[in-house]
Amino acid sequence: AQKITQTQPGMFVQEKEAVTLDCTYDTSDPSYGLFWYKQPSSGEMIFLIYQGSYDQQNATEGRYSLNFQKARKSANLVISASQLGDSAMYFCAMRESSNYKLTFGKGTLLTVNP
Amino acid sequence: SAVISQKPSRDICQRGTSLTIQCQVDSQVTMMFWYRQQPGQSLTLIATANQGSEATYESGFVIDKFPISRPNLTFSTLTVSNMSPEDSSIYLCSVQENTEAFFGQGTRLTVV
Repeated sequence: AQKITQTQPGMFVQEKEAVTLDCTYDTSDPSYGLFWYKQPSSGEMIFLIYQGSYDQQNATEGRYSLNFQKARKSANLVISASQLGDSAMYFCAMRESSNYKLTFGKGTLLTVNP
Repeated sequence: SAVISQKPSRDICQRGTSLTIQCQVDSQVTMMFWYRQQPGQSLTLIATANQGSEATYESGFVIDKFPISRPNLTFSTLTVSNMSPEDSSIYLCSVQENTEAFFGQGTRLTVV
């Protein structure tokens, strides 16, 4: 069974609008972390935001915020005020406390239109 | 945050040859991770490299094909051996610090 599911292969958003990228996960480990990365066409992986399973508040980093719903096992990324430079592939990943490996979803290709 | 230098950034190689990818970190880390990203796909973990011990490989990856060295706490290499066109991918090294996980710039490999 897939541990990380990103159901949106592609998303489009108008510049300056907000967009939500979906991510659901599956684990029986009570302690885990969730990560979001941006991968532009250059191929580098840019760390965006982290949410720990025991964190009481949703993580925020500038224009990025994570809508963490633990009971639903979802960790959606919200990008506010989209910019043209936000066009890229976005990956959700999970790290379980039982090991240090990151497991990635299939990614969502975000296109920001002017 | 850790800074990772990975090289080469890209290469075009003949089938049957081998390529060694280097990863240098600006701080000491216990574990280093090697990932493969096939064209249009997500990242898949190849192996975890600990200093002073043999790397731990994930299912589907073997040491003969992807030998890894970890001579100290700041450096690791991944070799892609006896390459075929199916090995054309981006290879990335990664380290973790508390709640963050960082990646090198990646090596874009094309096998012809």
